[in-house]
Amino acid sequence: DAKTTQPTSMDCAEGRAANLPCNHSTISGNEYVYWYRQIHSQGPQYIIHGLKNNETNEMASLIITEDRKSSTLILPHATLRDTAVYYCIVRVTPYFGNEKLTFGTGTRLTIIP
Amino acid sequence: EAEVAQSPRYKITEKSQAVAFWCDPISGHATLYWYRQILGQGPELLVQFQDESVVDDSQLPKDRFSAERLKGVDSTLKIQPAELGDSAMYLCASSENRADSDTQYFGPGTRLTVL
Repeated sequence: DAKTTQPTSMDCAEGRAANLPCNHSTISGNEYVYWYRQIHSQGPQYIIHGLKNNETNEMASLIITEDRKSSTLILPHATLRDTAVYYCIVRVTPYFGNEKLTFGTGTRLTIIP
Repeated sequence: EAEVAQSPRYKITEKSQAVAFWCDPISGHATLYWYRQILGQGPELLVQFQDESVVDDSQLPKDRFSAERLKGVDSTLKIQPAELGDSAMYLCASSENRADSDTQYFGPGTRLTVL
C-alpha cells in the first residue's frame, strides 16, 4: 500500500505557483520523500527528493514540515507543460539499497491558460 | 542527456499470442526495473535486476511472464500467452548502484493492447 495521501486533482492558473500537498503521517526516520510526475503517455519523470530540510532545484521546491508528516511540492511559475499527474512517494534512504518505488494514484494537476 | 530506451512504443496483439518488450538502460546503471501501469493507476513493480541477477520478482506472474538481463545491460520482458488483462503500459527504469544516488529514470514505456 502507498504510504502517502494526495488530493485526486487540482487546478492552477498559468504563471501562478502550484502548491501540491502530500500527507505521509507514518513516515519513518530513514525514509525520504520523493516526487515524480507523469505527463500523459510518457514515463514518470523525477522532480525532487528530501529528508527533512527544504530542497530546491531547477524544477521545483520541496517543503517538508518539521514533524515530517506532510510536505508540499511547489512549482513556482506553472506553465501548460506542467499539466501532469504528480506522485508523492516515501522510501528508505539510498543507503539501504535500491528500493522499488511504490506509487499511489497521485494528483492530477491541470494548468489553466 | 542520457535516456532509457524502450521498444516498441506500441504493441497490439491477440490473446494467447506471445509478446516481448526491450529496454536499454542509461549507460552504467546497474539496477534495472520493469513496472506495469494499468490505466488510471500508478506504476507497479514487476521485476528488479541488479546487474544480471533478479533481486525482486515477487509481483511477476511467473506462469506467463519472464524477464532476463543476460549481460547485465539491456533487458527483455516477455509475456506468453498474453491475456486481455495484460493490456497496460510497461515501463522500464534504471538507476545507479551508488549509496548516495539511486534516482530512478524511466523510459517512455510500451503500451500493450491485447484484443
